[in-house]
Amino acid sequence: DTAVSQTPKYLVTQMGNDKSIKCEQNLGHDTMYWYKQDSKKFLKIMFSYNNKELIINETVPNRFSPKSPDKAHLNLHINSLELGDSAVYFCASSPGTGAYNEQFFGPGTRLTVL
Amino acid sequence: LAKTTQPISMDSYEGQEVNITCSHNNIATNDYITWYQQFPSQGPRFIIQGYKTKVTNEVASLFIPADRKSSTLSLPRVSLSDTAVYYCLVGGSARQLTFGSGTQLTVLP
Repeated sequence: DTAVSQTPKYLVTQMGNDKSIKCEQNLGHDTMYWYKQDSKKFLKIMFSYNNKELIINETVPNRFSPKSPDKAHLNLHINSLELGDSAVYFCASSPGTGAYNEQFFGPGTRLTVL
Repeated sequence: LAKTTQPISMDSYEGQEVNITCSHNNIATNDYITWYQQFPSQGPRFIIQGYKTKVTNEVASLFIPADRKSSTLSLPRVSLSDTAVYYCLVGGSARQLTFGSGTQLTVLP
């Protein structure tokens, strides 16, 4: 059983398109995250939800919109894709919001914008 | 936010003990120190976490001096499969955790 799953694994699209990435966790966790990892391996948090409520919203263009229909799912929708959006996007979950909570990561979605 | 500094890369040979040190001079009282491991094309995976002194689990040990301004991840007898990027994180809440660019450990035969 996959704990944190993401779809799709790869996404290749043209500039200007709108795309979504889906994430699901079956761990019963309350908190979920989206991270972006660039080509230099720098992993940066974008958003976090706790029990379907947005608790972390870092400096991210408003073309990125997270949605959490329930606490097991956190989707990421990206409008008007740009070349600079090319990266690997990781979803993660944890039991709670404290730093002592272990985060469980999904396999990542490699987004390539042409 | 507690900023962390760790070496960009390290090389080691199979069977050796590897120590990766992370500096976090402005760590706050309620900050935890956490290490993650990331293999190519995979998400990061939790290795170990500590607050002070020494923590050991089946994978690694974490040494934290009394002033907590640094920490050392120790991997005993590494194998080729330990080749990965290792991230040191410091924070008291999820918002404060910054992964940075990590340390690329390469284990050579």
